[in-house]
This record gives sequence, C-alpha cells and structure tokens, in this order.
Amino acid sequence: ILNVEQSPQSLHVQEGDSTNFTCSFPSSNFYALHWYRWETAKSPEALFVMTLNGDEKKKGRISATLNTKEGYSYLYIKGSQPEDSATYLCAFSDSNYQLIWGAGTKLIIKP
Amino acid sequence: KAGVTQTPRYLIKTRGQQVTLSCSPISGHRSVSWYQQTPGQGLQFLFEYFSETQRNKGNFPGRFSGRQFSNSRSEMNVSTLELGDSALYLCASSLIEGAGGYTFGSGTRLTVV
Repeated sequence: ILNVEQSPQSLHVQEGDSTNFTCSFPSSNFYALHWYRWETAKSPEALFVMTLNGDEKKKGRISATLNTKEGYSYLYIKGSQPEDSATYLCAFSDSNYQLIWGAGTKLIIKP
Repeated sequence: KAGVTQTPRYLIKTRGQQVTLSCSPISGHRSVSWYQQTPGQGLQFLFEYFSETQRNKGNFPGRFSGRQFSNSRSEMNVSTLELGDSALYLCASSLIEGAGGYTFGSGTRLTVV
C-alpha cells in the first residue's frame, strides 16, 4: 500500500522564526514529488514539483529538498510571516502517474 | 486566462439522490483529476482523466464515477448519496498527466442531509 506521511500534523511558529516539515513517501517507482500550499477558503496552490534526487527548489523564503533514495522531502520556510499560515500538502506521483497525497501540515504563525 | 471552474459552488442533496458536479479546466489542459476533502482529512484522490480516458482511480466505491468530454471538461457523478459523502469536492487540471503543476478549482461543497 502506497502511503505519504507528513509530519508534524500541525505546527505553531513565532513570526520571524524559521521552520521546516517533512514529507515521507515510497522510494520505489518514483516519478515526482509535489508541494502545495492551501490557505483557508482558497484552493491549493502549487509550490514545487521535484523529480530528481537531490533537487532543491526555492521560491522566495520557501525552499524544498528531495531525497528519492530514502523517500523524503523537506519544506523550509525562512523568517515566517503571518501570510505563511496555511496547510502545506505534499503529493507523490509514481511511474504510473498515480498521485497520492499526504494529509498535510497545518502551519500557524503567531504574531 | 480563466482558471479552473467548478459548478455548482454549493449543493444540498438528500440521502439516496444522485448528483453531478462539473469541472472546466484551464484552456489547453488535458488532464483533470478529482478529489474529496472531508473535515480533518487530507485530499483523497478520486480519479484522473486524460484525453477522455480514466487513467487512475482512487479507492472509492462504484457510486463515484466520472467522465471527460472532448473539450476536456469533466463531470463527476455520485449515485445513491450517503451522509458520509458530504465533503468539499475539488478538481484540478494540468497540461499533462502526473507531472504536477495542477491548478485547482474553488471546489463544490456538497452537503447530504
């Protein structure tokens, strides 16, 4: 059974602090790893798609790394701001293009 | 360019009824996937269509079905509705299947009473 685990489930971070969370996925039949941000009352928004082991992607204060051999990806947020409050979802797609989503990490930034 | 459009936004149905939800993808996108989100749960994958063919299906009962038309618009149908089917149903489109870059619609909030 393919499973994508995200940890922690939720996270409270002080404004200005940096934080990171994890996505674990099957290391076999890997095709791509996706990160999305889902703000309350909005639709999920694509952050990154990573396909190669060792990939690192960056968008402003948010970055992500990928380790396909051990099956994990980290998402980092530097200098958290209130607008970073959201649920961060990762999804794994295998070589059959089947997409499996994690349950998300809910990030709350405290001013 | 126009985003992914889902209709209707809200729907209230009674148990036993059936419902059809619609999703119009971004122009040029050929892949449409459907998801269910219930309180406290992540996104549960329903199915994905590409060029009118169902390419992948999640672990949902046969009451959940879908189709995609030649213009890439997709519909999802749920028959014999149950209370547990109350959820937010999201669709997402992308240029090609499985490659990410999915753009989500605003969803249809279905309430079964």
